[in-house]
Amino acid sequence: AQTVTQSQPEMSVQEAETVTLSCTYDTSESDYYLFWYKQPPSRQMILVIRQEAYKQQNATENRFSVNFQKAAKSFSLKISDSQLGDAAMYFCAYRWGGSNYKLTFGKGTLLTVNP
Amino acid sequence: ETGVTQSPTHLIKTRGQQVTLRCSSQSGHNTVSWYQQALGQGPQFIFQYYREEENGRGNFPPRFSGLQFPNYSSELNVNALELDDSALYLCASSPPGASGANVLTFGAGSRLTVL
Repeated sequence: AQTVTQSQPEMSVQEAETVTLSCTYDTSESDYYLFWYKQPPSRQMILVIRQEAYKQQNATENRFSVNFQKAAKSFSLKISDSQLGDAAMYFCAYRWGGSNYKLTFGKGTLLTVNP
Repeated sequence: ETGVTQSPTHLIKTRGQQVTLRCSSQSGHNTVSWYQQALGQGPQFIFQYYREEENGRGNFPPRFSGLQFPNYSSELNVNALELDDSALYLCASSPPGASGANVLTFGAGSRLTVL
């Protein structure tokens, strides 16, 4: 069974600084996708960034980028120039490339941004 | 375009009762999946519906059941409620096509408390 582990329950960062959230996963599949989702307090979960396992290049979306280490099964999220609006719970998630839409989530990392 | 809407936002039930949660999918989306998010945990996949049929299920007992309607809206029903069913229930919809699974849109959730 696939598992996703986020080893940092909480992280904090100063506004305008950079922070990296860690995620490791376990799978025997070769075709899969990895995601980072953001869940602000009492608001809906939104997709931050997606990485296809077959792509060697790390995904980037504006201030958000990932470090995808396939052999190590590691998928960290780097947030640059942190903003107060980045404060939220961040979840790492895995999806097998088959037809099932099931996402497997980690337990999350609560990010606090200090002014 | 409207996003995913869920109702009710909050509800309280007692052990043994039954509950129905509702989800309206985003316009153009034909697949709906449901997740249970216990306090301090990541979401766990319950099941998904496509063309009004369940076509994927997580590790949840049969007292968790669902429906999808011709307009792609969906219901989650939970019978014989237990205290451990207290959680945030998230609905997510996705568009047609192989890449649809990578663009889930989540609702804000229904928070169920079982006393």
